[in-house]
Amino acid sequence: QSALTQPRSVSGSPGESVTISCTGTSSDIGAYNYVSWYQQHPGKAPKIVIYDVTKRPSGVPDRFSGSRSGNTASLTISWLQAEDEADYYCCSFAGAYTHYVFGSGTEVTVV
Amino acid sequence: EVQLVESGGGLVQPGGSLRLSCATSELTISTNYMNWVRQAPGKGLEWVSVIYNGETTYYADSVKGRFTISRDNSKTTLYLQMSSLTPDDTAVYYCATGWFGEPRFDSWGQGTLVTVSS
Repeated sequence: QSALTQPRSVSGSPGESVTISCTGTSSDIGAYNYVSWYQQHPGKAPKIVIYDVTKRPSGVPDRFSGSRSGNTASLTISWLQAEDEADYYCCSFAGAYTHYVFGSGTEVTVV
Repeated sequence: EVQLVESGGGLVQPGGSLRLSCATSELTISTNYMNWVRQAPGKGLEWVSVIYNGETTYYADSVKGRFTISRDNSKTTLYLQMSSLTPDDTAVYYCATGWFGEPRFDSWGQGTLVTVSS
């Protein structure tokens, strides 16, 4: 099972919106309503920001939103802030055998 | 707040073995599905293994047959027994709580570094 495909990097200015894509297949993203997104700052453990494609855990700002179309999931960060600068990873369920597959990761830079 | 504390990482020679531990609370280990996720230096996240209630386990293809996940509820500890290690297994290993059949890893430990090198 190959990693899900994400852009290597995206950037935006404070107050702008950025969208990160996560492309999989009909065996993972396209097959299940189970896509999550993780934020990871350098040297820190990942933190979940979206689960079940669109849901936000308690405490995550509503500036973070998720969506999916076909085999591609997306994470949008609105009103970009300096603290949003981090690496972001998507993750999908891929069936009982493969189970979970992560994306290749996207570096978000706030310029 | 869920607390997860990994330990057991270190330097090991290729072909060697190592056992990682993840200490947590009784409530956490008895009510959560527990995962191991790893991250090679400068690389992305890779799911490694999960243990569900009833001791059902799943593994990534890259570690199948070499790694064994287990837990001791009485010791409130999750384990990852790793054998036949190769340099490709060099990574920070995180334990994380999860949900059944969902890639929803709510809580993570701080990670423990495993380096496989001669």
